[in-house]
Amino acid sequence: GAGVSQSPSNKVTEKGKDVELRCDPISGHTALYWYRQRLGQGLEFLIYFQGNSAPDKSGLPSDRFSAERTGESVSTLTIQRTQQEDSAVYLCASSFRGREQYFGPGTRLTVT
Amino acid sequence: AQRVTQPEKLLSVFKGAPVELKCNYSYSGSPELFWYVQYSRQRLQLLLRHISRESIKGFTADLNKGETSFHLKKPFAQEEDSAMYYCALSGGAGTALIFGKGTTLSVSS
Repeated sequence: GAGVSQSPSNKVTEKGKDVELRCDPISGHTALYWYRQRLGQGLEFLIYFQGNSAPDKSGLPSDRFSAERTGESVSTLTIQRTQQEDSAVYLCASSFRGREQYFGPGTRLTVT
Repeated sequence: AQRVTQPEKLLSVFKGAPVELKCNYSYSGSPELFWYVQYSRQRLQLLLRHISRESIKGFTADLNKGETSFHLKKPFAQEEDSAMYYCALSGGAGTALIFGKGTTLSVSS
């Protein structure tokens, strides 16, 4: 079946603009995670959704970052007033009841 | 502090040579440990997890709680093993993964 999908695959934006990144998890997966990977760094946790529970936002680096999830489906990560240090690959993952996380292909964000 | 350390950025070996990718962790509690792999132009995927105690593609990893290590080993490397390898830990089902910075494994003939 279909895996986790993310769009766009690449996004170039000017500093100060807002961007929205989309994640479509595997159908039936209750948990959804966002991670960020900056050049030369490991993956950093950003936010985690589990069912209808309040999301774990402990990894969001600033209040410019926010994310929403509609039920157990699509999630959108929004970055407002982008900065150059936001340039990274943003990865989404989903899992069924906390088991193995399946990753999407990522969105490469470049802030110029 | 919760942390995963992969001391080697790059590991280059010849085909047929043994491979050991090092991973050390810091965590208060009993974490679950994973190895993820990313082949060229492919997405990140799970290679193995310590609770499964299985061998995948010839790779094994043993959790050493005394040394807080979870090194990945393969007795005979193949060229198709060339990839980026990430060690990660989880505090429990449903929690986010904490990743190391990754090690690039390059296997040449």
